Amino acid sequence: DAGVIQSPRHEVTEMGQEVTLRCKPISGHNSLFWYRQTMMRGLELLIYFNNNVPIDDSGMPEDRFSAKMPNASFSTLKIQPSEPRDSAVYFCASTVVQRGHNEQFFGPGTRLTVL
Amino acid sequence: SQKIEQNSEALNIQEGKTATLTCNYTNYSPAYLQWYRQDPGRGPVFLLLIRENEKEKRKERLKVTFDTTLKQSLFHITASQPADSATYLCALGTGGFKTIFGAGTRLFVKA
Repeated sequence: DAGVIQSPRHEVTEMGQEVTLRCKPISGHNSLFWYRQTMMRGLELLIYFNNNVPIDDSGMPEDRFSAKMPNASFSTLKIQPSEPRDSAVYFCASTVVQRGHNEQFFGPGTRLTVL
Repeated sequence: SQKIEQNSEALNIQEGKTATLTCNYTNYSPAYLQWYRQDPGRGPVFLLLIRENEKEKRKERLKVTFDTTLKQSLFHITASQPADSATYLCALGTGGFKTIFGAGTRLFVKA
């Protein structure tokens, strides 16, 4: 299995531009998570999906952020318009949710720089 | 307020010694606790999970303890090696699907 796949690996954009990050979870996993990691705030959960349905988006910073999961093998995280404070590494993770478990498999991340 | 605290300062130890990392939490009642390893430029990798009704879990050179009274987990690496140098994150499973991560502790093992 290829693991969780994220693209692009690096993104540099200018303030005000739209940014779209992509994630392909591991086949057969039914839950998908988007995280943001910075030195200051660590690894923050933004949103997670179960069976393609958003369950909790309370971590999404503001309306500029949106996420979709149109099918079991693809998810996007969009930032529009982007701001310099959005610069971070964005991780996607997937898992098979089981009672009392929930080991997450992380992708390699997308390093976003907003100038 | 809810908090997860890990040693913010890096831990430096000599090869062969036991590394002990701490994870403390407040105002959570986790159903389980996980430990992950993260190398620079990579995503976290799952190491161990311990449930609320378990006191200790082992895997090769790794040992995790979980004290729900003290609200603390200890993560031990015995016979440490330079290859163990990384950042280690604890994560609380709060029920359902959600996992909350600590900020991590950097471990350096010197040869």
